[in-house]
Amino acid sequence: SQQGEEDPQALSIQEGENATMNCSYKTSINNLQWYRQNSGRGLVHLILIRSNEREKHSGRLRVTLDTSKKSSSLLITASRAADTASYFCATTRTGYSTLTFGKGTMLLVSP
Amino acid sequence: DTEVTQTPKHLVMGMTNKKSLKCEQHMGHRAMYWYKQKAKKPPELMFVYSYEKLSINESVPSRFSPECPNSSLLNLHLHALQPEDSALYLCASSRPDILYGYTFGSGTRLTVV
Repeated sequence: SQQGEEDPQALSIQEGENATMNCSYKTSINNLQWYRQNSGRGLVHLILIRSNEREKHSGRLRVTLDTSKKSSSLLITASRAADTASYFCATTRTGYSTLTFGKGTMLLVSP
Repeated sequence: DTEVTQTPKHLVMGMTNKKSLKCEQHMGHRAMYWYKQKAKKPPELMFVYSYEKLSINESVPSRFSPECPNSSLLNLHLHALQPEDSALYLCASSRPDILYGYTFGSGTRLTVV
């Protein structure tokens, strides 16, 4: 069963704006990861944040993790049309070595 | 080589057919996975191989049969599928500790008629 719940389910913005997606989960985790999927093809790993980290940056991506609230957010700054995709958070539960994916956010960036 | 290659990209099969999906990686990853993804849904775990041994089977029907011939190859054998099995089948690999995430293939779009 899915562990993560993304919010919002769909997000539509203009190029140059920032996009923020949120993810909540239910159990204790080892780490939380974000993936991007274009047009129903393979998923691309974007960033991983460990359970003892609070914030991480990679290029235009900023991820935060609040283990007390069991939530994470992904911020994409200065969005581009090429960022149009579905974004999934995924967690590895403590004691397990597999990923469980959330329901995903569909991001549409208009030129 | 930092890719996971899946073949075929598209497959249409009848309910009485037998077919196989193939997945190959040359990143030295010792964990490999099969996921199933229906339209507008997240991927769902089917099988996990760790060091070429099946470690997790998520109660998948026996009409799906995984095989890991060596550390680079993962197959999914299909037999007597149902139309509801139509989906995107994704292969992924990772280090066993998943510290750097999964690397996914581009998937096989399966249609059962």
